[in-house]
Amino acid sequence: NAGVTQTPKFRVLKTGQSMTLLCAQDMNHEYMYWYRQDPGMGLRLIHYSVGEGTTAKGEVPDGYNVSRLKKQNFLLGLESAAPSQTSVYFCASSYVAGGTDEQYFGPGTRLTVT
Amino acid sequence: RKEVEQDPGPFNVPEGATVAFNCTYSNSASQSFFWYRQDCRKEPKLLMSVYSSGNEDGRFTAQLNRASQYISLLIRDSKLSDSATYLCVVSRRGGGSQGNLIFGKGTKLSVKP
Repeated sequence: NAGVTQTPKFRVLKTGQSMTLLCAQDMNHEYMYWYRQDPGMGLRLIHYSVGEGTTAKGEVPDGYNVSRLKKQNFLLGLESAAPSQTSVYFCASSYVAGGTDEQYFGPGTRLTVT
Repeated sequence: RKEVEQDPGPFNVPEGATVAFNCTYSNSASQSFFWYRQDCRKEPKLLMSVYSSGNEDGRFTAQLNRASQYISLLIRDSKLSDSATYLCVVSRRGGGSQGNLIFGKGTKLSVKP
């Protein structure tokens, strides 16, 4: 099993450009999450999904959109990138709600917005 | 009080030392507690869950004090390979985000030969 994979690993965007980050998991997990990690801030939840076709806002959702069309995939979109979105983005998944089960993380996407 | 607060670190210790990490959390209704480990430029990985009775896994011991809303992690006989950032993690309770996790900022540990 590959676990949780993320595409791309690195990306540089100019302000105003758009992009989509792809997360895929092969563990048949119901729950998926997108986090961002900034120096001195810790991991912050952007959006999450409790199942195929459902999404919900996390702690810092502004400027991002998500979709969960297939159970194994969770997409994070940036419609108009801003320098404040420079960060490391981690996707995670869990079999049940994150509060009762281990979350498995992908390797991360390092995004720089200039 | 911040939702999850940890020692800022960094901790620099020699091999073989015993290291203690402390963490406090603000939501008394939180039900689940974890320690994650994150190596430099890598993803976080679960180190161990923390149970009310305390639990041990080899050189690692985790304790929970619900009354004080305090979590600890003890590493005995530290190894070079223990060098990493240790994240205290607590479940969020209430509202639509019930069950989601709150991550502390982490404490960096460097074990020196």
